[in-house]
Order: sequence, then C-alpha cells, then structure tokens
Amino acid sequence: NAGVTQTPKFQVLKTGQSMTLQCAQDMNHNSMYWYRQDPGMGLRLIYYSASEGTTDKGEVPNGYNVSRLNKREFSLRLESAAPSQTSVYFCASRDGTGELFFGEGSRLTVL
Amino acid sequence: GEDVEQSLFLSVREGDSSVINCTYTDSSSTYLYWYKQEPGAGLQLLTYIFSNMDMKQDQRLTVLLNKKDKHLSLRIADTQTGDSAIYFCAEDLSGGYNKLIFGAGTRLAVHP
Repeated sequence: NAGVTQTPKFQVLKTGQSMTLQCAQDMNHNSMYWYRQDPGMGLRLIYYSASEGTTDKGEVPNGYNVSRLNKREFSLRLESAAPSQTSVYFCASRDGTGELFFGEGSRLTVL
Repeated sequence: GEDVEQSLFLSVREGDSSVINCTYTDSSSTYLYWYKQEPGAGLQLLTYIFSNMDMKQDQRLTVLLNKKDKHLSLRIADTQTGDSAIYFCAEDLSGGYNKLIFGAGTRLAVHP
C-alpha cells in the first residue's frame, strides 16, 4: 500500500533551471495538495486541486505551476528556480473524512 | 484573516504531561487538526476536533477547544521519548475539505 509517492526525494538546481516534482496517490482521493515547509514557518499551501481537472492557488503560488494530470497524479513545476524556492516540498491527498495523507517530502536546494 | 500561531519549542521530562497551544483567527473553521511530524518524514494526523465540540479525548491525547478565544490545545499525558516530534495545528477554512492552513509547528523535546 504505497499511499502518496513523491519523486525525486532530493534535487539540487542552479538558479534559472526548471524542474517538475511528481506526486501520485493510490487511494482514489479527489483532493490533492502541494505544500512547502520552511524552518519556523510551518507548511504553506502552494496549490491544490479539489478534483480532477481543477486547480487553485494557495498562499504562496508565485513561481510555481501545477498540473492535475488525472485523479492519481498532481505535479508541481518550477519554471525558473530561485534560491528562495529552496525548501522541502510535500504532496498530500485528502480523503472523505478530511484527513490529509502526506508523501515523504522532496528536498530541493537552489544554488 | 488566515493565521495559525504556535510556540516553537517545548521541553518536558519523560512521564510528565505536555501541553501544546495554538491560536487561530478564522471563526469559520469547522475542523481543527493536530498533525505529528517525525524527523525526515511527512506529517501524520494525530487527532482532530469538530468546531462544535469543547473537548476530545483519545487515549493519552486530550484536545481542548475554546471557540470564543479561538484557542486550541493538545495535552499528551505521560509523555514518552517516542513523542519527540514537531506538532502542527491546522484549521480547515473551507468546511468543504479543500484548504487546510498550518501553524509553524511546535518542536517537542522529551528528556529523561
């Protein structure tokens, strides 16, 4: 039972490079989320998708784009990475009771 | 506005009770959550409380909600070293399970 799977787990980028973080869930959840976690700031919502085919901005969407490819997959793209985007990124999906299920996180460093 | 606040650190002795506090600002929140994060891992749901409840108890965990003051607390009885982690308070703004706002997290350190 995989739950929420994120790839890659670690990534180092140079300023200006692009990359996509992949997320997939096998629990048939409608809602999926991307958060970033920074020291002393908790988790901040970047984007979310309430259902397949819809996406909405969260608290800190600037510099990111998302794609809800299908019900299982929700990807996060950085078009032109900046040092301020150095963070740990978490994907999550949510079940009908409201509980969030998190992936293990992707640690991104932008030099 | 959307803001969830927690103190950043708490240190307790093994066997004592821990109380982690949280304040939130949006009175429309319908559910309030406590998540636990162990080192190198994602967050896991610990417990939650519906906004029309004052208290919820689950084994060693007690959640108290003061809706008038917008104050939420998590009490861990008989704290163990395995309880060392970061604890996040979160509020559900939408009521439709679409948007969860987290606090900065309280790092709980349990010492002998």
